[in-house]
Amino acid sequence: DQQVKQNSPSLSVQEGRISILNCDYTNSMFDYFLWYKKYPAEGPTFLISISSIKDKNEDGRFTVFLNKSAKHLSLHIVPSQPGDSAVYFCAASAVPGNNRLAFGKGNQVVVIP
Amino acid sequence: DTAVSQTPKYLVTQMGNDKSIKCEQNLGHDTMYWYKQDSKKFLKIMFSYNNKELIINETVPNRFSPKSPDKAHLNLHINSLELGDSAVYFCASSRAQAIRETQYFGPGTRLLVL
Repeated sequence: DQQVKQNSPSLSVQEGRISILNCDYTNSMFDYFLWYKKYPAEGPTFLISISSIKDKNEDGRFTVFLNKSAKHLSLHIVPSQPGDSAVYFCAASAVPGNNRLAFGKGNQVVVIP
Repeated sequence: DTAVSQTPKYLVTQMGNDKSIKCEQNLGHDTMYWYKQDSKKFLKIMFSYNNKELIINETVPNRFSPKSPDKAHLNLHINSLELGDSAVYFCASSRAQAIRETQYFGPGTRLLVL
């Protein structure tokens, strides 16, 4: 039962433009949402997170938007850089839950120089 | 000075064998996890230990047995390996087990069962 869904598995974007990644979830108990970035042959690396009490969190070029009523979040990367080429995973956790993360399938982003 | 390390990085073995994957973290964290990324690329949690105590045990065949000799180590032993066990196994750690504690992942162990 897939509780976190990432459609559109791959995205190609020109360097300098905006990359937008989308994520939908089904579990209304999810309270905390994260994005992880993964390069080939490496483990996922934490990128940015957002609590359910907020609708936006920004960290440099990365912004995450949360729409709780729609059970939807998105990650914006602007401007996109070649080093952003990676797989991006959306993840969520619920309270209580012992920090158990439910992951989406990931989106491949390719930034074209 | 790798934060979360796993050995081996690659593991190719025959069906029916028993194998272990080791994980170590030097972050001083209390909580450690094992995740499995299957062929469909889903990352799913298998186990979590907090201070050497098992706190998450998902629906995983009992051929999989985690062992935490101390807070810095969480090993995964797999008995009677099956073809379906082929996957990438990721270890992770966090400062505590509470929600919002960032999980730091190791590089993964690529297991191929022939």
